[in-house]
Amino acid sequence: AQSVSQHNHHVILSEAASLELGCNYSYGGTVNLFWYVQYPGQHLQLLLKYFSGDPLVKGIKGFEAEFIKSKFSFNLRKPSVQWSDTAEYFCAVTAASGGSYIPTFGRGTSLIVHP
Amino acid sequence: EPEVTQTPSHQVTQMGQEVILRCVPISNHLYFYWYRQILGQKVEFLVSFYNNEISEKSEIFDDQFSVERPDGSNFTLKIRSTKLEDSAMYFCASKLGRGRSDGNTIYFGEGSWLTVV
Repeated sequence: AQSVSQHNHHVILSEAASLELGCNYSYGGTVNLFWYVQYPGQHLQLLLKYFSGDPLVKGIKGFEAEFIKSKFSFNLRKPSVQWSDTAEYFCAVTAASGGSYIPTFGRGTSLIVHP
Repeated sequence: EPEVTQTPSHQVTQMGQEVILRCVPISNHLYFYWYRQILGQKVEFLVSFYNNEISEKSEIFDDQFSVERPDGSNFTLKIRSTKLEDSAMYFCASKLGRGRSDGNTIYFGEGSWLTVV
């Protein structure tokens, strides 16, 4: 079964700082990768996803993520964060073929952006 | 944009009581899920449902839990005898299909916050 680890549990930044949140997965086969965001008091919303093709994926609100297959990584980036980006960020993986199709989530990274 | 809807948004129940959480998945989706998130912890998979039966379940999903799709639109999670440690946000989710396509994107409802006292 696949698993996901997010190394940064808590990140605190000032507005306009650059962001990179780490995500590594373990699964030997082909995967689909996702980043979800959970704003305070709200539900999980899809930020971006990778299925195939260009490993650099652009999502909503200026976020992007890069799939590096050799490193089993799918790090989330944003060049300049805003106060409104304060939220919990979850990386998720699901097998694209074989294995379990159940999306598996990382523990999440809490991002606080100071104005 | 179609969405997954959940009711109730918040429920407080006494320990030992039965609770039913309701979900209406996106209408053409085929795979349905329940996840839970205990405050401050990660999102945990509970159960998946496909073709009117459970396809996978986690070790959290023990005999006190059950799911059903009674009428082709609703997808319910029942907790038979709630415990304090069942207090959590319960998320329903659905997706269209599998494989390497948009059909494998999972969409979440807004969650039902369950507090057991």
